[in-house]
Amino acid sequence: AQSVSQHNHHVILSEAASLELGCNYSYGGTVNLFWYVQYPGQHLQLLLKYFSGDPLVKGIKGFEAEFIKSKFSFNLRKPSVQWSDTAEYFCAVNRASGNTPLVFGKGTRLSVIA
Amino acid sequence: KAGVTQTPRYLIKTRGQQVTLSCSPISGHRSVSWYQQTPGQGLQFLFEYFSETQRNKGNFPGRFSGRQFSNSRSEMNVSTLELGDSALYLCASSLGASGEGRQYFGPGTRLTVT
Repeated sequence: AQSVSQHNHHVILSEAASLELGCNYSYGGTVNLFWYVQYPGQHLQLLLKYFSGDPLVKGIKGFEAEFIKSKFSFNLRKPSVQWSDTAEYFCAVNRASGNTPLVFGKGTRLSVIA
Repeated sequence: KAGVTQTPRYLIKTRGQQVTLSCSPISGHRSVSWYQQTPGQGLQFLFEYFSETQRNKGNFPGRFSGRQFSNSRSEMNVSTLELGDSALYLCASSLGASGEGRQYFGPGTRLTVT
């Protein structure tokens, strides 16, 4: 069965610091990859997704993620975080074929302090 | 366009009771997926309905069931509630099958079992 690991449970950063959240998955075939974000009191929303093509994908609010197939990773990055980036971040993956449901990681809580 | 709506938003039930949760997808969306979100397990996939047919099912006991109506609205039922069923239940809709693209999440129903 597929699984998704997000190694950092809680990350605390100062404003303007750089962010990298790790995501690794355990499926060897072709996959679709997603990052979702849940801001306090708001719905889960899509940050970015990778289906194929350029492994460096750009999402909303200055976030980007890089798919490294050899490492089964899809890490999320942002060069300079803001207080408003405080949220919970979820990585998700599914098989590219066969219409399989998304498997989510357990999430990483990001707290940005002024 | 209105977003995904879920009713009720909060629910308190007693062990052994049953509960029905409702989800109205975004207009035009044919796929509805249900997830259980808990602090320890993160988001876990329950099931997906597409055009009134269950397309995928997660690893949950038979006490968890669902259905989808011809207008794409979906209901989820949990019978013989257990304390461990306390969670945030999220519904997500998408145009096509859930794994093919972006899912739009609702605010969730917070179920507390006492």
